[in-house]
Amino acid sequence: EAGVAQSPRYKIIEKRQSVAFWCNPISGHATLYWYQQILGQGPKLLIQFQNNGVVDDSQLPKDRFSAERLKGVDSTLKIQPAKLEDSAVYLCASRLPGLAGLGEQFFGPGTRLTVL
Amino acid sequence: GNSVTQMEGPVTLSEEAFLTINCTYTATGYPSLFWYVQYPGEGLQLLLKATKADDKGSNKGFEATYRKETTSFHLEKGSVQVSDSAVYFCALSELRAGNMLTFGGGTRLMVKP
Repeated sequence: EAGVAQSPRYKIIEKRQSVAFWCNPISGHATLYWYQQILGQGPKLLIQFQNNGVVDDSQLPKDRFSAERLKGVDSTLKIQPAKLEDSAVYLCASRLPGLAGLGEQFFGPGTRLTVL
Repeated sequence: GNSVTQMEGPVTLSEEAFLTINCTYTATGYPSLFWYVQYPGEGLQLLLKATKADDKGSNKGFEATYRKETTSFHLEKGSVQVSDSAVYFCALSELRAGNMLTFGGGTRLMVKP
């Protein structure tokens, strides 16, 4: 089966510009996550979707970050305006719904963002 | 809140050496525990998992046992290979918290021939 797809793989922008990342989860995976991984650290959750509804966005800096999953499949994460400290790898992950996918998440290759 | 602490790297070993990467956790409930691995240039992959106390997860010669009494999930391998060079992340998730993963900081393993 196809894995989690993300694009672009790399993005370089200047501070105060905007950027968007796209994620297509594994077919049938109702739960989708976005994580931020700063160099040398473990990934940190930004937002979790169940189908097209937000389950947890408590760690999302809502003044500049937004995310949507309009049809319960693909998702987009946007940053506007970007800051230097947003330089990181943005990871998308998905899992099966309910107990069938208990805990186990499948990760995409990530988008490496560099803010200059 | 939940947290995961793992030993800092890098860990440098010779091929066929024994590997231990320590991981301890703090959780308010009964988490599932995971080790994920990130090979150079690749995405995160699940290496092994354990969902309840005393469970042992194993894969590719790696093992880790869920120790509730010491809140630990140490990763071990009896004989490492150069191809095991990667960054290893310990993580936990709880069903009541939406199964979001809480990761440790990662440990870089370098295996020399």
